[in-house]
Amino acid sequence: QVQLQESGPGLVKPSQTLSLTCTVSGGSMNSGSYYWSWIRQPAGKGLEWVGRINSSGSTSYNPSLKSRVTISVDTPKNRFSLRLSSVTAADTAVYYCARVDTAMVYWYFDLWGRGTLVTVSS
Amino acid sequence: EIVLTQSPGTLSLSPGDRATLSCRASQSVSSSYLAWYQQKAGQAPRLLIFGASNRATGIPDRFSGSGSGTGFTLTISRLEPEDFAVYYCQQYGYSPYTFGQGTKLEIK
Repeated sequence: QVQLQESGPGLVKPSQTLSLTCTVSGGSMNSGSYYWSWIRQPAGKGLEWVGRINSSGSTSYNPSLKSRVTISVDTPKNRFSLRLSSVTAADTAVYYCARVDTAMVYWYFDLWGRGTLVTVSS
Repeated sequence: EIVLTQSPGTLSLSPGDRATLSCRASQSVSSSYLAWYQQKAGQAPRLLIFGASNRATGIPDRFSGSGSGTGFTLTISRLEPEDFAVYYCQQYGYSPYTFGQGTKLEIK
């Protein structure tokens, strides 16, 4: 059973870079046709898609964050990562990693991590 | 960017009632790329409906989805206590992939 697990610092200082990793267990990132995404949710607010990557390293980012976001993949280690630079308090949120299976007729986030809270504060 | 507008923002109902949640898109979305999620406090979203009308594995048949183009609906036929949560629609047709702002279903 494939599972996703986010990890990384829970506290980041303003103007610094937020770095998170999502580890895929129970299956290989290379098996199948998947997009691996980061999604975030500020406390008490809705969900915002941050960006995605596939196992080949092809990326797509939300234009609202594009200048600050980098998503990378490490298929041998079965994980992908998020870097968000120049963070402010507005970047404080629970960050989720999630998967879309593009081999299906329908596309949707079928698998989610449990989420990790990142707080931006000095 | 496709904006998804959910209504109402909050829905106050009692167990056993029927709930109807709306999701309107700012431009047409293929039904193949419209999904609904349920989120409870402190938990990740849980997939309910994909392809606008297909129930995900393990989702009770009291949940149903319908709609096309710019208007989609999630219906819960008879509310159970565990159904009180926040519900989001989401489109994966056009990047950036957007979510509605959510409908909070609360106990009356």
